[in-house]
Amino acid sequence: QVQLQQSGPRLVKPSQTLSLTCAISGDSVSSNDAAWTWIRQSPSRGLECLGRTYYRSNWYSDYAASVKSRITINADTSKNQFFLQLNSVTPEDTAVYYCARQASRALDIWGQGAMVTVSS
Amino acid sequence: DIVMTQSPLSLPVTPGEPASISCRSSQSLLDSNGYNWLSWYLQKPGQSPQLLIFLGSNRASGVPDRFSGSGSGTDFTLKISRVEAEDVGVYYCMQGQQIPLTFGQGTKVEIK
Repeated sequence: QVQLQQSGPRLVKPSQTLSLTCAISGDSVSSNDAAWTWIRQSPSRGLECLGRTYYRSNWYSDYAASVKSRITINADTSKNQFFLQLNSVTPEDTAVYYCARQASRALDIWGQGAMVTVSS
Repeated sequence: DIVMTQSPLSLPVTPGEPASISCRSSQSLLDSNGYNWLSWYLQKPGQSPQLLIFLGSNRASGVPDRFSGSGSGTDFTLKISRVEAEDVGVYYCMQGQQIPLTFGQGTKVEIK
């Protein structure tokens, strides 16, 4: 079955870059039927979809307006992984971060989540 | 962005009794092909959200048939026919009609 395994640092200093990896098993990051998504959850913002990347003959990414100026989501087909980079973080970026597969415009597979704290 | 509004935000339930959660969207989620791009999730304590319902009324694989989704356009409902103790957690609706995907605030279901 499809599984997503997240990894990355749990503590990031203010103004630095938050980087997370999501490793896919049981599906391909290049699938034409899926989009690979990052979501975060915090008490103040609830569940917030940050953006996604997907392959439809070419690679595409789209991002939430709230983070668009400092986010990158991309993929590595050789490793079957996708990534989140969030630059210039502040304590407001402290949250649980999830990766997920979007299929039929629903999020049917989720990673285990990663609590990331932004603090000096 | 499409705003999703759930009610109630807290729902005490009695095992064996039915329960119902409402979700309203600020724009129609019905597309020209007749699909409602609305899904429901349950986040059990300490876990990631899990998909229950997609396209408004389709149960995801492995979801018990006591869960059902209904509605169209801007008004949707999740019903649990007979609540079990394992159903406690926070339920979210999410719209997939427009990017960015957006979620409701969540409804916390707990046993009375």
